[in-house]
Amino acid sequence: AQTVTQSQPEMSVQEAETVTLSCTYDTSESDYYLFWYKQPPSRQMILVIRQEAYKQQNATENRFSVNFQKAAKSFSLKISDSQLGDAAMYFCAYRSPYSSGSARQLTFGSGTQLTVLP
Amino acid sequence: DGGITQSPKYLFRKEGQNVTLSCEQNLNHDAMYWYRQDPGQGLRLIYYSQIVNDFQKGDIAEGYSVSREKKESFPLTVTSAQKNPTAFYLCATSRTRFDWYFGQGTRLTVV
Repeated sequence: AQTVTQSQPEMSVQEAETVTLSCTYDTSESDYYLFWYKQPPSRQMILVIRQEAYKQQNATENRFSVNFQKAAKSFSLKISDSQLGDAAMYFCAYRSPYSSGSARQLTFGSGTQLTVLP
Repeated sequence: DGGITQSPKYLFRKEGQNVTLSCEQNLNHDAMYWYRQDPGQGLRLIYYSQIVNDFQKGDIAEGYSVSREKKESFPLTVTSAQKNPTAFYLCATSRTRFDWYFGQGTRLTVV
């Protein structure tokens, strides 16, 4: 079974600065899908960015970008020009390419609570 | 608007009671999931269903039951056998491996 590890339970960043959240995963599969979700105090899960493992180019969505290192099984999230609204819990998630049994699920890390300081 | 509706938003359960959490979707997705969220543990899969009248246990199914009688609905029952039910419960659907959608969750508290 795949596992996802977020080793930083809490992080803080000054407004307008850049912060990087870490995520590593364990898998024997060669193709898969990786996600970063944001969960603000409302508890709604919001997709931040996603990446397909066969694509070498790192995904980017406005101020959010990833550093995908397939060999190292690392998928870090960089938030540039941090804003107060970025404060939330951030989850990294993995999805297998297969569609049988438990491979269908999203497997989540334990989350990183990001605080943005004014 | 298409989406997932979970109700109620807050639910209180007495010891020994069964309670049912509702999840309804109008996205026409086949796949539906129930996750449990505890502090410091991320989200863990309770049950999932790929098609009407079929569902499978996830990683922490003990003390829970589900049904899938309609494509739109995937209710979760927390039974008295679940010893520590206080948690936040999220319902999700997926259209493809890459597209996932989440409800707004139900906070269950044992009183």
